[in-house]
Amino acid sequence: NAGVTQTPKFQVLKTGQSMTLQCAQDMNHEYMSWYRQDPGMGLRLIHYSVGAGITDQGEVPNGYNVSRSTTEDFPLRLLSAAPSQTSVYFCASSRHVAGVETQYFGPGTRLLVL
Amino acid sequence: AQKITQTQPGMFVQEKEAVTLDCTYDTSDPSYGLFWYKQPSSGEMIFLIYQGSYDQQNATEGRYSLNFQKARKSANLVISASQLGDSAMYFCAMREGAGKSTFGDGTTLTVKP
Repeated sequence: NAGVTQTPKFQVLKTGQSMTLQCAQDMNHEYMSWYRQDPGMGLRLIHYSVGAGITDQGEVPNGYNVSRSTTEDFPLRLLSAAPSQTSVYFCASSRHVAGVETQYFGPGTRLLVL
Repeated sequence: AQKITQTQPGMFVQEKEAVTLDCTYDTSDPSYGLFWYKQPSSGEMIFLIYQGSYDQQNATEGRYSLNFQKARKSANLVISASQLGDSAMYFCAMREGAGKSTFGDGTTLTVKP
């Protein structure tokens, strides 16, 4: 049981390049989310999904796309990278069982846009 | 207006003592959840404790307890018997919809030997 996995761990992009951050979970969780964390700050929600085929925007969605074709995978696409997207990106999955909710995070992807 | 407010940027506590980290929230949704996470210097996010808005009792997980005061909209984290390994950033978060959480800016806790 790997939990939530993210690849790559670190990436350097040039302005204007595109890339996909991968996220996968093996816990059969319905809910998955992408957050970004800027230095010294909390996490901000980019996009989230409540199930396969269903996605919605969070607080800071501009410049990012997502899709959820399977329960396990939730990739985040940067369409045209900008220096303002330099951040640490976290993917999370969650479940709500017997009135208790638990959210599990991946290890994060550090992205530097030059 | 901020939905989650953590007013203590940094806190110090002596080893083996208890410490309370403050969190206030703002929502008009009657159904919500409150979380606390620990982020050590290595960067991973570690789930600590959860409190549902309809829960009558305060949540507890080992040395962690959540002091939930619904009328005051506060959800403070209490860490008992602090250990050196508790030194980290702590985040309070609120879930208002499925899979959708809002985080505070965090409190840095330093445990002194």
